[in-house]
Amino acid sequence: DAGITQSPRHKVTETGTPVTLRCHQTENHRYMYWYRQDPGHGLRLIHYSYGVKDTDKGEVSDGYSVSRSKTEDFLLTLESATSSQTSVYFCAIRGVSTGELFFGEGSRLTVL
Amino acid sequence: QQQVKQSPQSLIVQKGGISIINCAYENTAFDYFPWYQQFPGKGPALLIAIRPDVSEKKEGRFTISFNKSAKQFSLHIMDSQPGDSATYFCAASNTGAGGYQKVTFGTGTKLQVIP
Repeated sequence: DAGITQSPRHKVTETGTPVTLRCHQTENHRYMYWYRQDPGHGLRLIHYSYGVKDTDKGEVSDGYSVSRSKTEDFLLTLESATSSQTSVYFCAIRGVSTGELFFGEGSRLTVL
Repeated sequence: QQQVKQSPQSLIVQKGGISIINCAYENTAFDYFPWYQQFPGKGPALLIAIRPDVSEKKEGRFTISFNKSAKQFSLHIMDSQPGDSATYFCAASNTGAGGYQKVTFGTGTKLQVIP
């Protein structure tokens, strides 16, 4: 157990509404990541963070924003959800010595 | 642009057989090649990993074979068991500016081991 908690685990929302997913870690790791998982696409990086208030874009960042005001929390926000953002979202932290990624259990988002 | 290509998309193997999943990469700057295993409803978890200075790494029934010149690597699962049924992702990573590790994943292989 890498001490990663994602919330909510499941959410159904309507197109155009804002959505925030939360990732909380208890390991005090510097690097945190948000991925989305879709059939046929594997895991694609949305945004990542390398410290408090330090974030950057991944390969599929359009329509998403992130914030990290504390080491332990990394928030992913969809300002105006679209059906194409229906997906399973995974938060991950990076192990210090090996580079291994530890994933949370995922947040399944459905946008109607 | 898919920098890590994974095949097959799905695989059915009989219990006791060998499961083989292949990946190919393009970026020669990659310096770490992990495989992740994911069970339904769970996040991926590291299974085994290799660095490009070795050609093979074995951990129990799981072996990574690595061909640097061909830019290919593969996962072999010996004596496959029903409990191995899961989705497997290959990945490749390199360290970017500021120590950020850029990890690129393959598209995944859904393995089913039948009794």
